[in-house]
Amino acid sequence: AQSVTQPDIHITVSEGASLELRCNYSYGATPYLFWYVQSPGQGLQLLLKYFSGDTLVQGIKGFEAEFKRSQSSFNLRKPSVHWSDAAEYFCAVGAEGGSQGNLIFGKGTKLSVKP
Amino acid sequence: DTGVSQDPRHKITKRGQNVTFRCDPISEHNRLYWYRQTLGQGPEFLTYFQNEAQLEKSRLLSDRFSAERPKGSFSTLEIQRTEQGDSAMYLCASSLYPGLGGAFFGQGTRLTVV
Repeated sequence: AQSVTQPDIHITVSEGASLELRCNYSYGATPYLFWYVQSPGQGLQLLLKYFSGDTLVQGIKGFEAEFKRSQSSFNLRKPSVHWSDAAEYFCAVGAEGGSQGNLIFGKGTKLSVKP
Repeated sequence: DTGVSQDPRHKITKRGQNVTFRCDPISEHNRLYWYRQTLGQGPEFLTYFQNEAQLEKSRLLSDRFSAERPKGSFSTLEIQRTEQGDSAMYLCASSLYPGLGGAFFGQGTRLTVV
């Protein structure tokens, strides 16, 4: 069955520290992978997406993610976290380049940033 | 702002009442999706349209739920005879098909059934 696992429910990092959020997927076909961010009470904002090609993708707000097919992973990273990055982060997998939109989401990782 | 907009942002209703939500997608997007998100969970797919045609419905979409997109532009999601278990955030998203842009989400409608 198709699924997305985000092993960490809640992560706390210090402002200025590096960040890595984990995502593992199970998908029968070629996966199209996404990271979204959600602030409290808000909708989801697309951070970055992977369709093909270079396995290291750059997104908005200084985020990047690396697709590792052998590990079925698509981890999100940021070299230096800012207080405004505190939010919930969702990894998702979909088909057809993401235009199909019926994505399968993980349960999310809540990021807290301490001063 | 030309993003996806949803109305209302919040809705409180009594159990057994009917509610309707509206979604206006990004204007050039031909696909529109509805998701439901409960506390502590990621969004779950409900249904999607391509233009005015409803192409897929999740088994989560019980017969109390109905969605329409009559002119291929805005969409409505109606829940009849609401139950407390319907309390959730209802998210709308849109995308351009074919395309590689991904889906863009609105800010959601928070439904509370009391």
